[in-house]
Amino acid sequence: QVQLKESGPGLVKPSETLSLTCTVSGGSISSYHWSWIRQPPGKGLEWIGHISYSGSTNSNPSLRSRVTISVDTAKNHFSLNLSSVTAADTAVYYCASRSATVNIFDIWGRGTMVTVSS
Amino acid sequence: EVVMTQSPATLSVSPGERATLSCRASQSVSSNLAWYQQKPGQAPRLLIYGASTRATGIPARFSGSGSGTEFTLSISSLQSEDFAVYYCQQYNNWPPLTFGGGTKVEIK
Repeated sequence: QVQLKESGPGLVKPSETLSLTCTVSGGSISSYHWSWIRQPPGKGLEWIGHISYSGSTNSNPSLRSRVTISVDTAKNHFSLNLSSVTAADTAVYYCASRSATVNIFDIWGRGTMVTVSS
Repeated sequence: EVVMTQSPATLSVSPGERATLSCRASQSVSSNLAWYQQKPGQAPRLLIYGASTRATGIPARFSGSGSGTEFTLSISSLQSEDFAVYYCQQYNNWPPLTFGGGTKVEIK
């Protein structure tokens, strides 16, 4: 059974870059598609973007200019970089596997809280 | 962008009763609609996709229906573990993939 675990700093300063990694265990990163989703405190879910096992990416137009998603097959993990962060980027960040055939999220990590503050 | 609107925001139901949650899309999403359950402090869990297909391991008391712009998630007899927040998500017109604002099902 595939399991996902997010890791990265819990505190990021405004205007800096938020960097998170999602480590995949129990399966090959080359066999699935991967997504990032976030949830501000007390609010709903927002899709950030995804990357396929081939490396092709897509992201939310509202974040596209600031988002980079990459995959490292050797380390079996994928990453999110979100640049020029503000307090509005404070959220729990989830990584998830995206079904190969439809854009639904069938396996999720536990999430990691990231606070943007000086 | 397809806007997903869920109602009600909060639903108070007694254990054993039926719960009916609604999700409306701002434009047709065909049957490309999923439902997730989220408990406090946990990640969402996929319940339903294709508007009505239960995901692996999801109990039969959960059922989904609808197409186009109007969708419903029904829980036939609420168990204690079903009190949670439920989100709908469309995957017909993207990017972006979009979620509804959620319905909290609480104990009456």
